[in-house]
Amino acid sequence: AQRVTQPEKLLSVFKGAPVELKCNYSYSGSPELFWYVQYSRQRLQLLLRHISRESIKGFTADLNKGETSFHLKKPFAQEEDSAMYYCALSSWGKLQFGAGTQVVVTP
Amino acid sequence: DAGITQSPRYKITETGRQVTLMCHQTWSHSYMFWYRQDLGHGLRLIYYSAAADITDKGEVPDGYVVSRSKTENFPLTLESATRSQTSVYFCASRDLAYEQYFGPGTRLTVT
Repeated sequence: AQRVTQPEKLLSVFKGAPVELKCNYSYSGSPELFWYVQYSRQRLQLLLRHISRESIKGFTADLNKGETSFHLKKPFAQEEDSAMYYCALSSWGKLQFGAGTQVVVTP
Repeated sequence: DAGITQSPRYKITETGRQVTLMCHQTWSHSYMFWYRQDLGHGLRLIYYSAAADITDKGEVPDGYVVSRSKTENFPLTLESATRSQTSVYFCASRDLAYEQYFGPGTRLTVT
């Protein structure tokens, strides 16, 4: 069965420090993975998807099929990065979300 | 306004009442989705629809009913609300590139 695991519920980092959000998945086919972000009291919005290989707001994520991971990274965290982050796996056009990681960036 | 909207944004109802959450999108996307967001569970799919008059169950469909008579609307009905259905509900639609766009959410409290 497909599954998305985000092992960290809360990640607290200092401004300017690197941040890495872990995401592991289980899926029998070729995965299509996304990161969504939800700022306080706002709707979810797409941050990035693995097929585009873009860097959005300084974030990058690399799909590692051997480790079945899609970790999200940013070298220097900013206060405006404080948000809830969800990793999601697309299967048959539907999204399977992880439980989410709350990121708090403190000055 | 273009985009995806939900109403009401906040709702308090009593156990046993029927309540309908509305979702409207202006893009004519074929696919639409309903999720509930709960701490520790992330977002879980309740129902989805591939087109008008085509709906299917998601991960947690029990206690919910959907319909889709028009492409732009996808209402979600709780036939007899229970406290366990207290949650934040998000509607989404999907474009041809498989990106999902989310509504602002409805915060539902069942007392």
